[in-house]
Amino acid sequence: DTGVSQDPRHKITKRGQNVTFRCDPISEHNRLYWYRQTLGQGPEFLTYFQNEAQLEKSRLLSDRFSAERPKGSFSTLEIQRTEQGDSAMYLCASSLATGSALQFFGPGTRLTVL
Amino acid sequence: DAKTTQPPSMDCAEGRAANLPCNHSTISGNEYVYWYRQIHSQGPQYIIHGLKNNETNEMASLIITEDRKSSTLILPHATLRDTAVYYCIVFNDYKLSFGAGTTVTVRA
Repeated sequence: DTGVSQDPRHKITKRGQNVTFRCDPISEHNRLYWYRQTLGQGPEFLTYFQNEAQLEKSRLLSDRFSAERPKGSFSTLEIQRTEQGDSAMYLCASSLATGSALQFFGPGTRLTVL
Repeated sequence: DAKTTQPPSMDCAEGRAANLPCNHSTISGNEYVYWYRQIHSQGPQYIIHGLKNNETNEMASLIITEDRKSSTLILPHATLRDTAVYYCIVFNDYKLSFGAGTTVTVRA
């Protein structure tokens, strides 16, 4: 257990539905990251926050995706009008803003879109 | 980010050392080499990192060549629990750029 938690761990939804995932980082970490991982591939960066500010978004983050970190603590990732191609593991990580790559990952949320 | 090249897979006998190579020939002078691993169905886990000097911690050792164009992660006494995908990452910014990694299978 790294101290980063994600909820739910698994989500099965039908195409076209909206889904929301939650990530609770390590409490003193001010950076929070979202990654997506498809089968057989390494995780791909989606976006990151420093405190409540979203500082970077990948081109992978289409208009159907939105992430928030309203009080600089937990974060949510919402996918609207899900598509089968959204099926993946969504990973959250947190770190201190020291310029280090030492990120602590949660267990992930596995999304299956039918 | 500098690109890394790793073998797709390797086997290792339990109790033996596992040497995982990584090429990063385009690495810049201020870029660190990080290693993470991902055990099946879990999030990635940090192992070790280095800039120029060799590094050792309780999990592994990292050997970086003098020209910094390649490195080797050494698991000194592999156990079955070390079976995982190992990622070599060159880092100089805020995000981790994972490749496909090396799938290491430790066999009894």
